[in-house]
Amino acid sequence: EAQVTQNPRYLITVTGKKLTVTCSQNMNHEYMSWYRQDPGLGLRQIYYSMNVEVTDKGDVPEGYKVSRKEKRNFPLILESPSPNQTSLYFCASSFGASYNEQFFGPGTRLTVL
Amino acid sequence: KQEVTQIPAALSVPEGENLVLNCSFTDSAIYNLQWFRQDPGKGLTSLLLIQSSQREQTSGRLNASLDKSSGRSTLYIAASQPGDSATYLCAVLSQGGSEKLVFGKGTKLTVNP
Repeated sequence: EAQVTQNPRYLITVTGKKLTVTCSQNMNHEYMSWYRQDPGLGLRQIYYSMNVEVTDKGDVPEGYKVSRKEKRNFPLILESPSPNQTSLYFCASSFGASYNEQFFGPGTRLTVL
Repeated sequence: KQEVTQIPAALSVPEGENLVLNCSFTDSAIYNLQWFRQDPGKGLTSLLLIQSSQREQTSGRLNASLDKSSGRSTLYIAASQPGDSATYLCAVLSQGGSEKLVFGKGTKLTVNP
């Protein structure tokens, strides 16, 4: 089944404890991105990647890192999480950003205490 | 800067009614527009994708239209059912830069039996 998977789906952690949220797609997509969803603010892009080893900042990249060493994986790294990073995170992918439908993962609900 | 607005923010209708959800965007330089459905605590399900050169797309009881010059899209749902209750998000893929999806804040639809 073609899909975007994220792990973990739920995470409660404490301020400053490094964490990684994994994202994987099995559709051979070149473009991948991360969004966060917050009440009243909607979905905002954090980082995106046009292809392997090519990443760039979205609208709200502060406090996050990403890497794209393989085409199928695009992990989101929070090196020192803070409470303002409590949010619902979505990974998305498509064959190429332009003109193509984007597919979203199921989401990761992160709580930073 | 692209901005996407969805009106109304919430809508409640009786089962069987036909309804229209509205989406407007400020910059007509887009590749495409996507309508998503989001159930509470769940991920985003892509409903329809309209390319910038298209006027409408249909899938089952759903019909989405696009008027790029006026910056508007509508999602028409025929013969609504309680299972249609969800939040509907409109997103445009803007040209240039990160080619990110810019989302509206959604319309929360409740279909009453």
